[in-house]
Amino acid sequence: DAGITQSPRHKVTETGTPVTLRCHQTENHRYMYWYRQDPGHGLRLIHYSYGVKDTDKGEVSDGYSVSRSKTEDFLLTLESATSSQTSVYFCAISDKAYTDTQYFGPGTRLTVL
Amino acid sequence: KNQVEQSPQSLIILEGKNCTLQCNYTVSPFSNLRWYKQDTGRGPVSLTIMTFSENTKSNGRYTATLDADTKQSSLHITASQLSDSASYICVVSASTGANNLFFGTGTRLTVIP
Repeated sequence: DAGITQSPRHKVTETGTPVTLRCHQTENHRYMYWYRQDPGHGLRLIHYSYGVKDTDKGEVSDGYSVSRSKTEDFLLTLESATSSQTSVYFCAISDKAYTDTQYFGPGTRLTVL
Repeated sequence: KNQVEQSPQSLIILEGKNCTLQCNYTVSPFSNLRWYKQDTGRGPVSLTIMTFSENTKSNGRYTATLDADTKQSSLHITASQLSDSASYICVVSASTGANNLFFGTGTRLTVIP
């Protein structure tokens, strides 16, 4: 998985609870992304980062925030989890641009009860 | 509207047989098209990338074709193996605009002995 780890790999939480997912890379790539994958929807971009402290919204950013204080780490936070945020979350990285080949992490399965 | 549609949604074939997966897109202006393979429980991995001027690209037993005029691509798998069982995702990049990456919902391929 191209030097990308995600933690935790599985999480079950309750509605209204804050949740933080972590993505860590060892490739020194500039761009990092958070996607969610749901049946029938494919991969959808939540937020992305184009450098330390530089982030922007994706297609489905409502209810999510991100932070990137170091090149290697990109955090995704659900401030108050809802059942509609039950999904599999993938982190991805790319070197030069959003449209470059992206390398994906192993995913985090999040269940919100 | 920029869209990527894949067919069929799912496919079951016998080991050793060939198969072809389809991807139709309306993304404009077109930059490139990638096919990703996603094994169950893992992140997608890039198989091929094609730009406007390329109409075929091979990666072992995987051959992708692109017809930029009709906005269609196919992924042909030769002599299928059990390890080919996975989802195959078509991803099209536009050359302008923010968030200019468009994902298909994938074709789920099952190879049976």
